[in-house]
Amino acid sequence: AQSVTQLGSHVSVSEGALVLLRCNYSSSVPPYLFWYVQYPNQGLQLLLKYTTGATLVKGINGFEAEFKKSETSFHLTKPSAHMSDAAEYFCAVSDKSSYGKLTFGQGTILTVHP
Amino acid sequence: EAQVTQNPRYLITVTGKKLTVTCSQNMNHEYMSWYRQDPGLGLRQIYYSMNVEVTDKGDVPEGYKVSRKEKRNFPLILESPSPNQTSLYFCASSLVGDSSYEQYFGPGTRLTVT
Repeated sequence: AQSVTQLGSHVSVSEGALVLLRCNYSSSVPPYLFWYVQYPNQGLQLLLKYTTGATLVKGINGFEAEFKKSETSFHLTKPSAHMSDAAEYFCAVSDKSSYGKLTFGQGTILTVHP
Repeated sequence: EAQVTQNPRYLITVTGKKLTVTCSQNMNHEYMSWYRQDPGLGLRQIYYSMNVEVTDKGDVPEGYKVSRKEKRNFPLILESPSPNQTSLYFCASSLVGDSSYEQYFGPGTRLTVT
């Protein structure tokens, strides 16, 4: 069975500071990893994904994540936070055997202070 | 425009009154699923469908029904809603056989059961 743990249900940063949202996963087979963002009162938007190949993945809005198999991690980073980054972020895992099912972490609410 | 649509977007109902939330996609995707989102729990899969007339339970199927009579539609049925089904519901679809199993999400339906 797959699982995802997001460390920290709330993260607060100042505008211009580094954003680091942590995600650890458990999967018995090679994982597909995703980060989604949910702005207030909106649906889910895909930020980035890792399937195979390069372990450093770049996404939209300046975000990137690195797949580290040895650490079973897929942390999301952005060098400089913007006020518009305030949202809830979800890490999710899937794989070939799960037929497309996504297993989500509990979410991290990012607050950006001026 | 490729999209997943859900209706209604907001629904307030009373305990025991049957309701249906519709989901439709225009991308000819075989795989469709329903998730519910609850604070601190992330998103959890309710039911999924690999193709027409093929449905199966996800992680939290109790109290829900689905049907897949047409490829584009995947309605979620609550025959006797209860307050613990108050939640934000998302429909999603994807291609079977796509190497990443990336899912496309609808805008969400916020359901309140009193």
